Amino acid sequence: AQSVSQHNHHVILSEAASLELGCNYSYGGTVNLFWYVQYPGQHLQLLLKYFSGDPLVKGIKGFEAEFIKSKFSFNLRKPSVQWSDTAEYFCAAKHGNNRLAFGKGNQVVVIP
Amino acid sequence: NAGVTQTPKFRILKIGQSMTLQCTQDMNHNYMYWYRQDPGMGLKLIYYSVGAGITDKGEVPNGYNVSRSTTEDFPLRLELAAPSQTSVYFCASSLGADTQYFGPGTRLTVL
Repeated sequence: AQSVSQHNHHVILSEAASLELGCNYSYGGTVNLFWYVQYPGQHLQLLLKYFSGDPLVKGIKGFEAEFIKSKFSFNLRKPSVQWSDTAEYFCAAKHGNNRLAFGKGNQVVVIP
Repeated sequence: NAGVTQTPKFRILKIGQSMTLQCTQDMNHNYMYWYRQDPGMGLKLIYYSVGAGITDKGEVPNGYNVSRSTTEDFPLRLELAAPSQTSVYFCASSLGADTQYFGPGTRLTVL
């Protein structure tokens, strides 16, 4: 079964700092990858996704992620965070059937 | 489009009680899913459905049941509530292999 690892569950940083969240998945074949964000008290929203093509994917709110097949990774980045980026971020992977495997999430707190 | 809607938003149950969590989507998606979210654990798939009349177990199906009589609705049933079922429950839907869209969640506490 597909599994997804996210490290550094709690991340605290100041506004304007750069953010990078790691994501590694286990399945080596064709895989679809997602980053979802959950703002406090809200439901999950899609930040970006990778199905095929350019491995550098740009999403909403200035986020981007890079798919590196050789490293089984799909890390999320934002060059300069804002207080409003305080949220929990989930990486998810899907292969074969439509079942998503989620990582445990990264709780990101941005200090003004 | 309202997207994916869930009711109720909050519920407190006593041990042994039963309840149904409702989920409706108006996007004509064929796939629907139920997840539970526990702190620090991410989301775990409970059940999913690939179309009306078809359901299948996910990672953590014990203690739950589902049905899918229409494309729009995918209710989740808890028959004998237990404290271990205290969680936030999210319903999601997708059109085939594309992005899953999530509802606002139901926060359930079992005492």
